Amino acid sequence: GEDVEQSLFLSVREGDSSVINCTYTDSSSTYLYWYKQEPGAGLQLLTYIFSNMDMKQDQRLTVLLNKKDKHLSLRIADTQTGDSAIYFCAETLPAGTALIFGKGTTLSVSS
Amino acid sequence: DSGVTQTPKHLITATGQRVTLRCSPRSGDLSVYWYQQSLDQGLQFLIQYYNGEERAKGNILERFSAQQFPDLHSELNLSSLELGDSALYFCASSVETSSYNEQFFGPGTRLTVL
Repeated sequence: GEDVEQSLFLSVREGDSSVINCTYTDSSSTYLYWYKQEPGAGLQLLTYIFSNMDMKQDQRLTVLLNKKDKHLSLRIADTQTGDSAIYFCAETLPAGTALIFGKGTTLSVSS
Repeated sequence: DSGVTQTPKHLITATGQRVTLRCSPRSGDLSVYWYQQSLDQGLQFLIQYYNGEERAKGNILERFSAQQFPDLHSELNLSSLELGDSALYFCASSVETSSYNEQFFGPGTRLTVL
């Protein structure tokens, strides 16, 4: 069945880079997504990557995709305290558009 | 603000009861998704409606049901509530015109079953 796995916690210092890793199962996923959830709020789309890409850069965010290993990562450069949140990796349900989420990685940024 | 609204924000009820959660999608979005977020299960897809019709089902219990009305708002009905149903319930909407499908999430309804 579908399963998306992420490490649960990451703690970094302000100004450092953060790397959040994810493994997914469905090799037919056309798009893979990173969502961010701030305390007490809903989820918002942070970035996404099309499956025929290896890398996507969007300002401080870099997404790397290794299709062979079904591994996705999100790098946040110059991490700020405002980046403290839960980050979810997601793939689409086979033959559909609903999302399968990982359990989320809680990023804690200390000053 | 995502443009997706959910009511109520909080709901406290007792075991065995029935509740209805409401979602209004973003203007123009035809698809509505319901997700449940709990500490032990994480964020799980429950059900999707597209323009009034059920499109996909996830891990939705038989005690739960949903519908999407002609004005595209959706309701999630939870019955015979158990303690384990306590969770945050999110609604999301999307246009769903291509394989790239950004979903916009509402702020959620926090359900507490006592």
